[in-house]
Amino acid sequence: NAGVTQTPKFRVLKTGQSMTLLCAQDMNHEYMYWYRQDPGMGLRLIHYSVGEGTTAKGEVPDGYNVSRLKKQNFLLGLESAAPSQTSVYFCASSSAPGQDPSYEQYFGPGTRLTVT
Amino acid sequence: KQEVTQIPAALSVPEGENLVLNCSFTDSAIYNLQWFRQDPGKGLTSLLLIQSSQREQTSGRLNASLDKSSGRSTLYIAASQPGDSATYLCATNAGKSTFGDGTTLTVKP
Repeated sequence: NAGVTQTPKFRVLKTGQSMTLLCAQDMNHEYMYWYRQDPGMGLRLIHYSVGEGTTAKGEVPDGYNVSRLKKQNFLLGLESAAPSQTSVYFCASSSAPGQDPSYEQYFGPGTRLTVT
Repeated sequence: KQEVTQIPAALSVPEGENLVLNCSFTDSAIYNLQWFRQDPGKGLTSLLLIQSSQREQTSGRLNASLDKSSGRSTLYIAASQPGDSATYLCATNAGKSTFGDGTTLTVKP
């Protein structure tokens, strides 16, 4: 049981390049989330998904796209990277409130992205 | 829109002290509140989760309380140790989560 995994762990991009971050969970969770964390700040929600084939915008969605084609995977895409997207990206998953009373979020180890 | 505030932003204490970290939130319609620990350059480690129907949770030297009516949660750390030095984050969960900016704790030997 690996929990939540993220690929890659580190990446450096040049302005204008594109990339996809992959999040995978093996806990059969319905909900999945992408956050970014900037220095001295908490996590801000980028996009989230409440089930396979669904996505929704979070607090800071601009410049990102997501897809949830399979229940266990949640992809975060940057079509044209900008220096303002330099950050640490965390993925998380949880059961739906009706599935599990605790509704706890489990986090991946993070991806450190630098855009030059 | 939910807003989560953590006070203080930073705290430095000598080893052995008991301490309280504060978390306040504006919308009481939450499923639960979760406390995390984050070490520098690392991911998040879940410490305690309090469901909306609960008042407190305990794990070892940690005790977290929740008062939904006043929009407050506290994390109490007993007999602090240098190994407790880290950033502590609280998050409210209500379909999507809102995090505070964290309290950075330094415990001096």
